[in-house]
Amino acid sequence: GESVGLHLPTLSVQEGDNSIINCAYSNSASDYFIWYKQESGKGPQFIIDIRSNMDKRQGQRVTVLLNKTVKHLSLQIAATQPGDSAVYFCAEKLAGNKLTFGGGTRVLVKP
Amino acid sequence: NAGVTQTPKFQVLKTGQSMTLQCAQDMNHNSMYWYRQDPGMGLRLIYYSASEGTTDKGEVPNGYNVSRLNKREFSLRLESAAPSQTSVYFCASSEEGWGLLSGYGYTFGSGTRLTVV
Repeated sequence: GESVGLHLPTLSVQEGDNSIINCAYSNSASDYFIWYKQESGKGPQFIIDIRSNMDKRQGQRVTVLLNKTVKHLSLQIAATQPGDSAVYFCAEKLAGNKLTFGGGTRVLVKP
Repeated sequence: NAGVTQTPKFQVLKTGQSMTLQCAQDMNHNSMYWYRQDPGMGLRLIYYSASEGTTDKGEVPNGYNVSRLNKREFSLRLESAAPSQTSVYFCASSEEGWGLLSGYGYTFGSGTRLTVV
């Protein structure tokens, strides 16, 4: 069994629908943010990043939105696929090169 | 393949035993990190090394020691394991100056699942 993520908030989404994952960050001085995807039994993998001087950035099927006023970050996944089932973490960069991670959200894609 | 390699993948220890978790990266990164991941708590930084020869405490350093053996290798040692150290441990590395260009960030290993009984 999996020991990671047993108590995580879970987002269930129908295959083909769009997913929106939200994250509140803690430090108004953070200047860089990253979304990571973690599949069962694996380490986190980079998805997309955004700098604090931007409010939106798009990648392949993913979009990150940054609202610095309310310290909120979101990840939108378009046309969610079964392979998108995973735990998603946001991370903020504080002083130096250190990242601080959020608690994560589990995404379950229903066929 | 280039990346971060962690050994072992699984380990069971008895309370009071010691062990060292190994981590090596072949990307010529300056910075390396050790995180632990517990259910519902995300990843928490244990120790990090900004460059060869330097190490610093993170958020949860108690009960651990680290060694930056060379630029490639960063090990994590549990001197006297406790059940509270049951967790999944991840090592990561990053380039100096990352964050200035998109697509940079941490590269993670696949983790060590440690159980202390």
